[in-house]
Amino acid sequence: QLQLQESGPGLVKPSETLSLTCTVSGGSISSSSYYWGWIRQPPGKGLEWIGSIYYSGRTNYNPSLKSRVTISVDTSKNQFSLKLSSVTAADTAVYYCARQVLGSNWLDPWGQGTLVTVSS
Amino acid sequence: EIVMTQSPATLSVSPGERATLSCRASQSLNSNLAWYQQKPGQAPRLLIYGASTRATGIPARFSGSGSGTDFTLTISSLQSEDFAVYYCQQYNNWPPLTFGGGTKVEIK
Repeated sequence: QLQLQESGPGLVKPSETLSLTCTVSGGSISSSSYYWGWIRQPPGKGLEWIGSIYYSGRTNYNPSLKSRVTISVDTSKNQFSLKLSSVTAADTAVYYCARQVLGSNWLDPWGQGTLVTVSS
Repeated sequence: EIVMTQSPATLSVSPGERATLSCRASQSLNSNLAWYQQKPGQAPRLLIYGASTRATGIPARFSGSGSGTDFTLTISSLQSEDFAVYYCQQYNNWPPLTFGGGTKVEIK
């Protein structure tokens, strides 16, 4: 059974870079059938797709965040990572990683999520 | 970017009753729409993809319909565990993937 687990600091200072990692277990991140994505949810609000990556390193980003986002993959560790630069309080959210079906692009399964607060 | 609009924002339903949730897209999606359920403190869970195909393990009381710009999620007989927030998501035209604002199904 595929599982995803987010990890990283829960508190980031304004103007700094948020960094999170998603570890995939129970399956290979190198599968040709999936992208691996990041989604966020500000407290009490809806879902926003951040971007996704293929095992080859090919990425897709939300245009609204593209200038600040970098998603990378480490197939040797079965992990993929998110970096979001120049954060502000508006970036405070629960960050989820999820598997994104190639060619179809629904998201399943999801990690449990991790809350990142941007505050000095 | 395709804008997804869900209605109503909140739906009050008694256990055992039927719930009908709507999702409208700003342009045609064909059938490229998914539905998710999110309970408090939990990650979203995929319910429906392809507008009408139930994901693995999803009970038959959940059904999806629609195509083009108008979609519906129906819960035929609400169980206590179904009270949650439901989101639709389009994947017809991306990036970006976009979600609706959600419908909260609460106990009447």
